[in-house]
Amino acid sequence: ETGVTQTPRHLVMGMTNKKSLKCEQHLGHNAMYWYKQSAKKPLELMFVYNFKEQTENNSVPSRFSPECPNSSHLFLHLHTLQPEDSALYLCASSQEAGERVLSGANVLTFGAGSRLTVL
Amino acid sequence: QKEVEQNSGPLSVPEGAIASLNCTYSDRVSQSFFWYRQYSGKSPELIMSIYSNGDKEDGRFTAQLNKASQYVSLLIRDSQPSDSATYLCAVFSGGFKTIFGAGTRLFVKA
Repeated sequence: ETGVTQTPRHLVMGMTNKKSLKCEQHLGHNAMYWYKQSAKKPLELMFVYNFKEQTENNSVPSRFSPECPNSSHLFLHLHTLQPEDSALYLCASSQEAGERVLSGANVLTFGAGSRLTVL
Repeated sequence: QKEVEQNSGPLSVPEGAIASLNCTYSDRVSQSFFWYRQYSGKSPELIMSIYSNGDKEDGRFTAQLNKASQYVSLLIRDSQPSDSATYLCAVFSGGFKTIFGAGTRLFVKA
């Protein structure tokens, strides 16, 4: 248990469905992230929230919609996905995000991931 | 485009040997460097961080950083079968982004 909990662990959805991924962290961190991991490709950063404010949207299609109601919770709302969106979606948190690099504040703690299959 | 490059492997070493994993990065202003280990079906976990040139040792792991060559490596001494995993190199270059390489798969043969 890393202190970052993701639900559901597995999700199968059709292209017209609407679903959401949930992430909760119990580490007292102030930054939360969504990463996408596809086979044989680097982790792709999708979104970053620092103190509940979105600071990065890495050219992610609008069919992915993040929500961060507070520093402990992060959602990824999914709508009209494509089969190529099938991947492992990883939530991570860090003490905070930004320029304070030497303090280790940017060290990421990952959740177990949500394996998404789009049919 | 900031990039982090790793040899995808697989790298196979016998038990007890030294495993050497390498990584290069493109952004010269990068400040923080990390190695994460990812077991099959699991999420990445941090094993080493390094911020200045030189070596940093933690148990059987040694991280090496050469900013002039834009090169970071991870040495695993006395490799064990339990070290078999994918090792991800990650670089923080400022802003809010930590960029990952695609990972090197390591197999330690008993």
